[in-house]
Amino acid sequence: DTGVSQDPRHKITKRGQNVTFRCDPISEHNRLYWYRQTLGQGPEFLTYFQNEAQLEKSRLLSDRFSAERPKGSFSTLEIQRTEQGDSAMYLCASKLGAKTEAFFGQGTRLTVV
Amino acid sequence: DQQVKQNSPSLSVQEGRISILNCDYTNSMFDYFLWYKKYPAEGPTFLISISSIKDKNEDGRFTVFLNKSAKHLSLHIVPSQPGDSAVYFCAASGPFGNEKLTFGTGTRLTIIP
Repeated sequence: DTGVSQDPRHKITKRGQNVTFRCDPISEHNRLYWYRQTLGQGPEFLTYFQNEAQLEKSRLLSDRFSAERPKGSFSTLEIQRTEQGDSAMYLCASKLGAKTEAFFGQGTRLTVV
Repeated sequence: DQQVKQNSPSLSVQEGRISILNCDYTNSMFDYFLWYKKYPAEGPTFLISISSIKDKNEDGRFTVFLNKSAKHLSLHIVPSQPGDSAVYFCAASGPFGNEKLTFGTGTRLTIIP
């Protein structure tokens, strides 16, 4: 399978714990995005990488959130001191160039209890 | 503010008939529009896109129409099939370099056999 891969698919964590998600984009795609989707809403942009450089962060990305893309390959999204409001589907997407479609992974469903 | 709006949360269509999903946007800087289909617990799947220099794009059973003066686009599916039952998201991006997507809230399409 050469699509976008996300791991884990599901994560249940206790409030206050740290969690980390991984995204493996399509190999030749230089642009990588993280989005968050809550019930009844469309995905909302969190952050954007071009190769290894994080070029934009949404104001939704509080200081408890950090993302990396070492060597411009896979990316990780870490949430520290999780809160119940962090419960959502976290989606990763990648694309190759301008005016092309973004391909999404299957998402990581986070539940904070 | 919601820059991309899908005002119909749900739509039911008889199998074999045409499904028409609508989307409005407010940001005149958007220049690339996409439709994604989403099944529960999966990531969005790209369906079709259109650049702002066009007013129609067709791919098999799917056609997207863009009316820039009205800031409106629509997705036509004909003929509708049971497998088309899903949530459909309209998304837009602009000439901002990052090409992040701004999504609507989605329309749940149900095809009635």
